[in-house]
Amino acid sequence: ILNVEQSPQSLHVQEGDSTNFTCSFPSSNFYALHWYRWETAKSPEALFVMTLNGDEKKKGRISATLNTKEGYSYLYIKGSQPEDSATYLCAFKAFNKFYFGSGTKLNVKP
Amino acid sequence: GAVVSQHPSWVICKSGTSVKIECRSLDFQATTMFWYRQFPKQSLMLMATSNEGSKATYEQGVEKDKFLINHASLTLSTLTVTSAHPEDSSFYICSARDVTGTSGYNEQFFGPGTRLTVL
Repeated sequence: ILNVEQSPQSLHVQEGDSTNFTCSFPSSNFYALHWYRWETAKSPEALFVMTLNGDEKKKGRISATLNTKEGYSYLYIKGSQPEDSATYLCAFKAFNKFYFGSGTKLNVKP
Repeated sequence: GAVVSQHPSWVICKSGTSVKIECRSLDFQATTMFWYRQFPKQSLMLMATSNEGSKATYEQGVEKDKFLINHASLTLSTLTVTSAHPEDSSFYICSARDVTGTSGYNEQFFGPGTRLTVL
């Protein structure tokens, strides 16, 4: 089992704050790193697929970076809104399987 | 597009009974589906990989006779928890891989999950 760690476990921010969290994964046998947004009672929604060292992806106010050599990815949310409240999961893909972190639960207060 | 449904969304059953969970890809064909389990405050853990028309591949430590997986069509996979016990209480979630996805990295699309409580 490959170890994927996410930090922090939970985060409480005020509306308008910018925030970021981390996904750490093994630096060997890397194939891809996926980020998902997961709201309660809904399906995890794919945010980004990152494959190359140095990748930066952006979708609206959310962006992500990737460092495969040191084994980490950052997810940034600029100007958090209450609707950003969700659990953010990262998944490390290797050997044709996904290995998930335990997620960062974000709560944005109005 | 790429919607996966899962049924039921929650189920409560008595110890010793069997429970079947369905996973359907609604708008695409999925030759491969995955079943995950999540215990409280833990990560999603892959239980098994289900390939249409063939036997599922189980991860180490997952009892194949207890967690029966059937993937009889390109849009449906089922997980049956046989003789369920309280320790099987967990959140079960499936995903389906769209092999024709434009991402080229065979993204997985998830169902919303099933909360199983065994009394």
